[in-house]
Amino acid sequence: SYELTQPPSVSVSPGQTARITCSGDALPKKYAYWYQQKSGQAPVLVIYEDSKRPSGIPERFSGSSSGTTATLTISGAQVEDEADYYCYSTDSSGNQVVFGGGTKLTVL
Amino acid sequence: EVQLVESGGGLVQPGGSLRLSCAASGFTFSNYWMHWVRQAPGKGLVWVSRISSDGSSTSYADSVKGRFTISRDNAKNTLYLQMNSLRAEDTAVYYCARWTYSSSWYPDYWGQGTLVTVSS
Repeated sequence: SYELTQPPSVSVSPGQTARITCSGDALPKKYAYWYQQKSGQAPVLVIYEDSKRPSGIPERFSGSSSGTTATLTISGAQVEDEADYYCYSTDSSGNQVVFGGGTKLTVL
Repeated sequence: EVQLVESGGGLVQPGGSLRLSCAASGFTFSNYWMHWVRQAPGKGLVWVSRISSDGSSTSYADSVKGRFTISRDNAKNTLYLQMNSLRAEDTAVYYCARWTYSSSWYPDYWGQGTLVTVSS
């Protein structure tokens, strides 16, 4: 079955740039999506179609994709950005939906 | 405002059954495919099941196939998940999510989740 691979954790100091990667064989052909999940809360969409930002999401959140790796970038990370981040995509056929294992972002 | 509110979770013994509900509001429920996604304690998000907008097409993860049944009542704007033969490994927070399409399918809104605990 198809898998998306994320690093378990990323740590930055406030104001630094955080980068979270997501690797998958189908990413050259399929969009990546990113979700933020704060402790005890539901996931929230922060990036869709590799690089688009939903309304209400701060501009410091951006996304990119190259080859088999998609990247979520938080420029000038804030303490309130501390959360788990999940990438999402589908396999090459579009039939199997899959989430990455999640990355815990620590900002301190 | 899109709202999804799950209910029906709780403590159940192994082998038992539970039915989850997800009440939708703020959008035309009958126009959207809906999914269930679960998250075991301290673990990541795992897709469970999906149903088409009119209820005619369903799909399940291998881990729940034959035990879980997804359904919907578009007149009541409600999504359901009937869970039978529950196992300890089904313990998780269950989220309902609205799936939308823009170049590809993806979840754009999630409920707050309902906790299912399978234990004796």
